[in-house]
Amino acid sequence: QVQLVESGGGVVQPGGSLRLSCAASGITFSHSGMHWVRQAPGKGLEWVAFIRSDGTTQYYADSVKGRFTISRDNSKNTLYLQLNSLRPEDTAVYYCTIGIDYWGQGILVTVSS
Amino acid sequence: DIQMTQSPSSLSASVGDRVTITCRASQGINNYLAWFQQKPGKAPKSLISAASSLQSGVPSKFSGSGSGTDFTLTISSLQPEDFATYYCQQYNSSPFTFGGGTKVEIK
Repeated sequence: QVQLVESGGGVVQPGGSLRLSCAASGITFSHSGMHWVRQAPGKGLEWVAFIRSDGTTQYYADSVKGRFTISRDNSKNTLYLQLNSLRPEDTAVYYCTIGIDYWGQGILVTVSS
Repeated sequence: DIQMTQSPSSLSASVGDRVTITCRASQGINNYLAWFQQKPGKAPKSLISAASSLQSGVPSKFSGSGSGTDFTLTISSLQPEDFATYYCQQYNSSPFTFGGGTKVEIK
């Protein structure tokens, strides 16, 4: 079955960086557009970024544009999210998704001094 | 940007009730509308895509309808496992915005 497993989260100071990874299995990864979605504690879902199946096109939410970078390695079936210049308001559980169909279990990023 | 307005933000209902949640887009989204269910501490689960197509394995008590800018999720007979928060999302154009969510609670 389809499985998405996020990793790379943790606690980071404001202004710091992290790289999240999402390993996919059970699906033809190279044919699938991928998203990152986040959820701040006690809040709703916020779409963060999207990358096309071949990696040629990326879209970002205004709240992360210029600070976050989505990328993928189709040879490794892995999606990435590079988080730079982190702010306390970036604290959230980050989910990777395949289209709108499948979600990972989520990984917590905490930005705090 | 397309804004997604979901209502109500919360509701109380009893087991067996028919429940309807609405989602309004600020402009047309060509029926690129999805519904998700999220239980506490869990990842969202996809229920419906393309406004009305039930995802594989989702019970038929869930249904989606609507077109243009107005969409509806209906649960025909609420069961204990359906108490959760529900979100809509448009995936017509970036940014792929979510509605604010509807928390369905036990009356």
